[in-house]
This record gives sequence, structure tokens and C-alpha cells, in this order.
Amino acid sequence: NAGVMQNPRHLVRRRGQEARLRCSPMKGHSHVYWYRQLPEEGLKFMVYLQKENIIDESGMPKERFSAEFPKEGPSILRIQQVVRGDSAAYFCASSPRLADEQFFGPGTRLTVL
Amino acid sequence: DQQVKQNSPSLSVQEGRISILNCDYTNSMFDYFLWYKKYPAEGPTFLISISSIKDKNEDGRFTVFLNKSAKHLSLHIVPSQPGDSAVYFCAASQGAQKLVFGQGTRLTINP
Repeated sequence: NAGVMQNPRHLVRRRGQEARLRCSPMKGHSHVYWYRQLPEEGLKFMVYLQKENIIDESGMPKERFSAEFPKEGPSILRIQQVVRGDSAAYFCASSPRLADEQFFGPGTRLTVL
Repeated sequence: DQQVKQNSPSLSVQEGRISILNCDYTNSMFDYFLWYKKYPAEGPTFLISISSIKDKNEDGRFTVFLNKSAKHLSLHIVPSQPGDSAVYFCAASQGAQKLVFGQGTRLTINP
């Protein structure tokens, strides 16, 4: 059973470009969470999705950020018009049901030049 | 508003001795607490958890203690091994949804 997969592992964008981060949850997991880790800080919750539904987006910046988890395919975190402050590691986690233990992917390291 | 705090950014322990990592929280509605271990360039790996109805949970070398009145939990690793060197994150949740993480403690096990 493969773990949570994220791609790309590293992403470099120039200011103003768009970044798309993908997350494939573990097989059988229908709950997906996105977290962001800034340098020297802990992980901060961004959004919680189930298939085709956003359940909690209280940690998402109001502008430029969006997330989806379609019926088919991976979950996507999209950042439009990136700025240098978006440079961070973005982690996706999944769980099989509404459960406390979340399994994390390896992360995508976004660098904005 | 830092609801989960790990006040020690780093900890150094001799191999074979006990490592104790501490975590404090402010939100009394948290009902589940977890510890994750993280190596550089990897995602966090789940270690051990505890429900708020318990005060201790043990799994091999790892034991988590919860003191609800003090809003404090700790992770004990005994005996400590070189492979335990990593960053440890404490996390808490309410109603099994989003996790709130501490800032992490970097543990170094010295041979």
C-alpha cells in the first residue's frame, strides 16, 4: 500500500506565476488535509477536503489560494500570482475516515524567485 | 495565537539515556494529542497518540503522558538511540479534524 504521494517534490516559480501542487492520498483514504511549513516553524493547517467537498478552509489565505479534491484524480492546491512569502514546504496528509491519525506525504518545497 | 507550544527548540541526550520532550497547550477543547517525528526533506511520521480520557499511552520505547489539569503532555523515549535524532512535533486536535502543531523540538542523540 503506497503512502501519500506528492508531486512535484520541488517547484520553482517566479513572482506572479501560478503554482499547482498535487497530492494522491493513500488507497482507501477519502479525507485530505493540506498544511504549510514556513522555515523554522511548525506545520500550519490550511484546508481539509473530502471527495468533491471542502470541509474546512479556515487556514487558507483569502486570496490567491484554492484547493480541490475531485471525484477522480489527486487533490490540487493552487496558488495564483505567487509572491516570495509563499516560499515554504507544503504537506498533504490523508486519513481513511474522520480520524485523528493523519498520514503525511513527503511534501512539496516551493521556492518563489 | 499559539495554541500548542514546544518551548525547547532543541535537546541533546546521550545514547542509552531517556529523552523527554515537552509540550503545552491552551485550548481545553482538544481531545486528542499526537507526536510526529520528522527527518529533513521528509514528511512527518506518526509516532504515538493519546486520547484526552487517558493519562498514559505506551508503545515500545515511546510513552506519552498527558496532564489535563496542567494542559501539558510529554514524550519519553527510552533508551534513546542515534536513529531517534530528528525534529519532534507535538500536535492536538478537536473532534478529529485539523491538527494544530507545535513549533518542534530538534532532538540530537549523542553516541
